Amino acid sequence: KQEVTQIPAALSVPEGENLVLNCSFTDSAIYNLQWFRQDPGKGLTSLLLIQSSQREQTSGRLNASLDKSSGRSTLYIAASQPGDSATYLCAVRLGTSGSRLTFGEGTQLTVNP
Amino acid sequence: GAVVSQHPSWVICKSGTSVKIECRSLDFQATTMFWYRQFPKQSLMLMATSNEGSKATYEQGVEKDKFLINHASLTLSTLTVTSAHPEDSSFYICSVLGTGSNYGYTFGSGTRLTVV
Repeated sequence: KQEVTQIPAALSVPEGENLVLNCSFTDSAIYNLQWFRQDPGKGLTSLLLIQSSQREQTSGRLNASLDKSSGRSTLYIAASQPGDSATYLCAVRLGTSGSRLTFGEGTQLTVNP
Repeated sequence: GAVVSQHPSWVICKSGTSVKIECRSLDFQATTMFWYRQFPKQSLMLMATSNEGSKATYEQGVEKDKFLINHASLTLSTLTVTSAHPEDSSFYICSVLGTGSNYGYTFGSGTRLTVV
């Protein structure tokens, strides 16, 4: 059974800092991995999707890496802003079409002005 | 990516009544949709996989007679919480698996259900 763990559970940083969120998974036979952002009381917004054959993806100040063999992914946020405050969820997908997502517990990020 | 619309965004109902939540895929035909439940400060828990034109597949421990799922068209799936009780109060979110090169999941905005 796939298990996904995110560290840390919560993180508070001053504005402008670069930070790294960690995600680990137990079954390396993933199809892809997706990072999401969730604001309080809202749905999930997809940030980055990394296919199993890829090593990293970048979007603006966000960079996600994937090391499938070691079962790890990191989300790097550069020059953090108060608007980045949210819960960040990592989810992995096994298999092909129609396969379920397995979520981590999330990292609650607070960026202080 | 896909565009998913979920309604209502919040609902308050009396204990014993039923509530229907809609999930619509606005820009492509979704043969499969997923329903999740999220308790405060917790991550998402998959409840069921909704398949167009056939019965939904429920996760272990989810009562199919309580959480009725209908996926009658390629753009609409509904979740009906029947005979709701306060313990059913939660945040319900649907998602759609996209197609093409971005082959990822898109989520609805969620529905906050409060049963009083």
